[in-house]
Amino acid sequence: GQSLEQPSEVTAVEGAIVQINCTYQTSGFYGLSWYQQHDGGAPTFLSYNALDGLEETGRFSSFLSRSDSYGYLLLQELQMKDSASYFCAVRTSGNTPLVFGKGTRLSVIA
Amino acid sequence: DGGITQSPKYLFRKEGQNVTLSCEQNLNHDAMYWYRQDPGQGLRLIYYSQIVNDFQKGDIAEGYSVSREKKESFPLTVTSAQKNPTAFYLCASGPRPGELFFGEGSRLTVL
Repeated sequence: GQSLEQPSEVTAVEGAIVQINCTYQTSGFYGLSWYQQHDGGAPTFLSYNALDGLEETGRFSSFLSRSDSYGYLLLQELQMKDSASYFCAVRTSGNTPLVFGKGTRLSVIA
Repeated sequence: DGGITQSPKYLFRKEGQNVTLSCEQNLNHDAMYWYRQDPGQGLRLIYYSQIVNDFQKGDIAEGYSVSREKKESFPLTVTSAQKNPTAFYLCASGPRPGELFFGEGSRLTVL
């Protein structure tokens, strides 16, 4: 089977840095994606890591360690609008659809 | 503007009725997907299609059916055989499997 584990909830202070972890056990692995979803809205793509290391896009960064079956999403300079659910998702082969984790609900407080 | 359009946004169904959710994209993507989301849960795959006139079952296909007669369209029918259809349904398409573009979703409630 496929399993992705991420914390269900995280709370952080505005202006701070928060890290959302994702560990996976899947039959295959091509890459790890991250998506953001505000309440009632559609998920939006944030990043995709196929190789080990850190990828930075503005305030968001995503990290992957294939040997540890682990990745994380790093959000810096948190803003209230970052309050949302964040999902990691694994691409298990070349053509099969993404497998999603259950999501981490991030609450940013003043 | 390019994107994915889902309709209706809200839908109410009586038990025993079939309903069809529409999904249209003008992004010229070959692959299209249907996911179901329940409160506090991740996205679970219902069906996907990688090319016109071809589609595959996902993890929770029972009680659902799809068609892919045109590249732009991938409608989902929720049949009366689906025992717990109340959920948020998301359609997506993507140029690459790791990167998906989602529609705004359809919220189905069974009365």
